[in-house]
Amino acid sequence: GAVVSQHPSWVICKSGTSVKIECRSLDFQATTMFWYRQFPKQSLMLMATSNEGSKATYEQGVEKDKFLINHASLTLSTLTVTSAHPEDSSFYICSARDPKEGTDTQYFGPGTRLTVL
Amino acid sequence: KQEVTQIPAALSVPEGENLVLNCSFTDSAIYNLQWFRQDPGKGLTSLLLIQSSQREQTSGRLNASLDKSSGRSTLYIAASQPGDSATYLCAAAEGTYKYIFGTGTRLKVLA
Repeated sequence: GAVVSQHPSWVICKSGTSVKIECRSLDFQATTMFWYRQFPKQSLMLMATSNEGSKATYEQGVEKDKFLINHASLTLSTLTVTSAHPEDSSFYICSARDPKEGTDTQYFGPGTRLTVL
Repeated sequence: KQEVTQIPAALSVPEGENLVLNCSFTDSAIYNLQWFRQDPGKGLTSLLLIQSSQREQTSGRLNASLDKSSGRSTLYIAASQPGDSATYLCAAAEGTYKYIFGTGTRLKVLA
């Protein structure tokens, strides 16, 4: 199947700093990517849908000014956590949809663990 | 609002046992249902995807069934192995893209 990578795999930062997480589709062009957040022992929650060349669509309760999403190319979406605080510590996972495979196939990245001190 | 529940939350079985993981969802108007495996600290691996018009899907030792009318899906694992130890997540698709995930079942297969 298709491969989706994330960078970095883990990051530790100080409170108040901003952190950027990259999501790349390695062998296909992804018109749509998704960002999820997973707190310990909880399930994944969709944060936003990222469409190439247009603004992201955020789920209810997700602050768009805090979680900036940029999908500047067909193989790269970035999530920037601005002014991070300890409560933002979580596992962030992206997924990408390969349009050639139909509407219901999403490939998930390995995740990025963010720890805010 | 769609809610997805998985039971049991955790399961420990001896190697070789057949086992069933359960997933229930509150809104039967789903696009598809997908089962994933997640190893500790890792991303997701898709196991089986069942379209809303299908009743079941099989891959090797795995079989997933879907009963939309009752809002249930089961994942059957035959002849379990220690390598099957992981967290298993089910996710119901609302529309074509949006997945609502369950809280998962943590499976441990003892050698």
